[in-house]
Amino acid sequence: EPEVTQTPSHQVTQMGQEVILRCVPISNHLYFYWYRQILGQKVEFLVSFYNNEISEKSEIFDDQFSVERPDGSNFTLKIRSTKLEDSAMYFCASTRGVYEKLFFGSGTQLSVL
Amino acid sequence: AQSVTQLGSHVSVSEGALVLLRCNYSSSVPPYLFWYVQYPNQGLQLLLKYTTGATLVKGINGFEAEFKKSETSFHLTKPSAHMSDAAEYFCAVSSSSGTYKYIFGTGTRLKVLA
Repeated sequence: EPEVTQTPSHQVTQMGQEVILRCVPISNHLYFYWYRQILGQKVEFLVSFYNNEISEKSEIFDDQFSVERPDGSNFTLKIRSTKLEDSAMYFCASTRGVYEKLFFGSGTQLSVL
Repeated sequence: AQSVTQLGSHVSVSEGALVLLRCNYSSSVPPYLFWYVQYPNQGLQLLLKYTTGATLVKGINGFEAEFKKSETSFHLTKPSAHMSDAAEYFCAVSSSSGTYKYIFGTGTRLKVLA
């Protein structure tokens, strides 16, 4: 089965630093998402991306966050100035459409110190 | 707005016993409903989904769920629990409009006792 690939699997950073989380969605998928899961809590929607632009974002996705699909292959999430509360597991996901399942990557565990 | 409520953050069953994980949803449009499973230190894997058609859907690993519109429920069941079923289970709702984003419930951690 095709996979969504995320790198790195773990990222440790200092508060105030910029981080970029990388994802390679499945090649023929059209919709791309970032979710996060703070330890022990539910999976929260951050942002959806379609046709090279953000289609929806949550309240969590403030000005410190941005997404990019620079080369038609990678899908990145950038946090400009990390805060302690950004520590979480970040999941990338992709799908071809509403009748198809959402494929998740195995996540990047971000730890902000 | 759509939402999902999972009753019971922790459920324990004996090996071989029935598994029942509860999910109720709220949606102003016909919902698409999903159950995902998360094993420790792994991502989310789709167990099953309901979009249209038959209201009883069967998934992987012997799980099934029934969409009951009148009860706004989509409970997950398995007749006989295995030790390998121990994991976190998430119910999610989406719709046929907008960005198709999934809204997840808070999850239910299933423990299987020997």
